[in-house]
Parts: sequence; C-alpha cells; structure tokens
Amino acid sequence: DQQVKQNSPSLSVQEGRISILNCDYTNSMFDYFLWYKKYPAEGPTFLISISSIKDKNEDGRFTVFLNKSAKHLSLHIVPSQPGDSAVYFCAAPRFTSGTYKYIFGTGTRLKVLA
Amino acid sequence: GAGVSQSPSNKVTEKGKDVELRCDPISGHTALYWYRQSLGQGLEFLIYFQGNSAPDKSGLPSDRFSAERTGGSVSTLTIQRTQQEDSAVYLCASSSTVSNTQYFGPGTRLTVL
Repeated sequence: DQQVKQNSPSLSVQEGRISILNCDYTNSMFDYFLWYKKYPAEGPTFLISISSIKDKNEDGRFTVFLNKSAKHLSLHIVPSQPGDSAVYFCAAPRFTSGTYKYIFGTGTRLKVLA
Repeated sequence: GAGVSQSPSNKVTEKGKDVELRCDPISGHTALYWYRQSLGQGLEFLIYFQGNSAPDKSGLPSDRFSAERTGGSVSTLTIQRTQQEDSAVYLCASSSTVSNTQYFGPGTRLTVL
C-alpha cells in the first residue's frame, strides 16, 4: 500500500537561500509525483510535478528531483522568497482495486525569513 | 473559468448533530475527491468519485460519514452524529481524466462543540 512521508514538519530558511523539502514513498509506479502548496485558509494549489521516467523537472525557482532507487523526492526552491512561506505537500499515486488516486504526505511548513 | 467551490466556508455545530458539506467541482471534471485536514495533520483521503464508477470509500473513517455525487457534478459529504474529533477542514478537489492534477476548493472549516 502506498505511503507518503514528509519527515520534516517545519523548515526555516533565510530569504535568498535554498529551501529543500523532502518526501519518501513506498510503492513505485509509472506515473507522476506531485507537489502542492497551501497557504492558510486556502485550498492546496498545484505547484510542480515530475514523471517517474525522469529524475529532474525544473520550473523557474522550483526544481523537483526524483531518486527512484531510494524512493525519494525533493523540492528545491532557489532563491527562497518570503512569499514562499506555506505548507508544502507531496503526493504519490496509488492504484488499488481498480481505482486510482493520490496519497498525500503530512506536509512541511516552510518559513522564509526576510 | 470558475474553480472548485465549497459551501459553507465555516460550520459550527453541536456534538450529535448532522452536517452536510457541499462541493461544486470544475465543470467537465469527472473525478472528485474529498479530503480532510485535522489540526497539525496532513491531507487525509476520504472518498473518490470517478465518472459513473462505484466510488472509492476506503478513506471514510466511520459509517457516520457518507458522500454522494449527483449527476456527475455536485457532491455532498454528510457527517451524522458529529463528534468533536470530526473538527477539521474538509477539502474537495476535482480533476479531469486528461490531467490528474487536482484542483482544490477553499475548504469548509468544521467545528464540533
């Protein structure tokens, strides 16, 4: 059964430095892994994804790395900005009993200090 | 176009009462998900609707929880005999079959006194 773990509940980074958020999953699938960002009192918004056939996907200041052998994802934000302060969730696909859905991690609260 | 909407945005109820939470997905999206986020917790999957298929109810925490999706569009999550541990933000998301990116609504904050 797919499990997704984000072992760091919080992270503080100085503005301009790199933020690295980590995520571990248990079951491999040929599909996309996702990162979402959530501000207080708002629903999560899609941030970036990575296909399981790639090891890196970059979109502006955001880069996601996938290490399939370690079953590990990481999201890099560089340079970090105060507006990046939010909770970040990773999500991995699960396909069981004919249904397909994403399982989310518990989130990492990022605080970027000005 | 309009995003996912949810109502009410806030709901305060007394223990033992029933509540209904509504979700209007993005038009044309065939998949609809309900999650909840308790204080300090991650997103907990509750239930998933995909087209006309039987819903995946594997995440519902007890038989007090149920959901339906009428006409393949609007969904209602019902919690019967609410308990204090049901207090959480309930989030709805929808996605198309082409892209599995889920678009979330703003959530309903439920407080059970």
